[in-house]
Amino acid sequence: EDQVTQSPEALRLQEGESSSLNCSYTVSGLRGLFWYRQDPGKGPEFLFTLYSAGEEKEKERLKATLTKKESFLHITAPKPEDSATYLCAVRGYGGSQGNLIFGKGTKLSVKP
Amino acid sequence: DTGVSQNPRHKITKRGQNVTFRCDPISEHNRLYWYRQTLGQGPEFLTYFQNEAQLEKSRLLSDRFSAERPKGSFSTLEIQRTEQGDSAMYLCASSPDRDQPQHFGDGTRLSIL
Repeated sequence: EDQVTQSPEALRLQEGESSSLNCSYTVSGLRGLFWYRQDPGKGPEFLFTLYSAGEEKEKERLKATLTKKESFLHITAPKPEDSATYLCAVRGYGGSQGNLIFGKGTKLSVKP
Repeated sequence: DTGVSQNPRHKITKRGQNVTFRCDPISEHNRLYWYRQTLGQGPEFLTYFQNEAQLEKSRLLSDRFSAERPKGSFSTLEIQRTEQGDSAMYLCASSPDRDQPQHFGDGTRLSIL
């Protein structure tokens, strides 16, 4: 069964303090790994798609990396506006033809 | 690109009542998905459409739930005889095809009294 586990559940950082969020996954053939950002009361906002081990994507202070078993979302010199819940999701080749399997998310708080 | 639109944003109803939510996807997106999200959890897949055809339903989608996408554009999700456990955020997403990222609306929050 496809599964996604995110850690930590919550992370508190000071502004400028870099860190990483982890997403471990098991899937019957990875078709894509997705990172989303979700603000309170809002829907998930798409950030990145990664398709194969070794792939990296960057956007402003965020960088996503992928291995065969996990993905990391690195946050460099975060600002308070980066505070949100970050969700990881996978899509596999087996079973479902398109739905995403999500983790529970990491709630990031960045204090000024 | 106006994004995925969902209405209403918040629905409060009494247990046993029927409710209907609407989703307008990004124009020309063939695929439309419904998810449910409860507090502290990630979204859970309910069902999806390719154009007007409903191609997959999750085990979470009991007989009280029905979804339609009559002309391959907007979609509706109806819940009959609502129960306390139906309280959640109902999210809609759309994508151009199977492999492209899904883009989400801001959801409809359902509260059952």
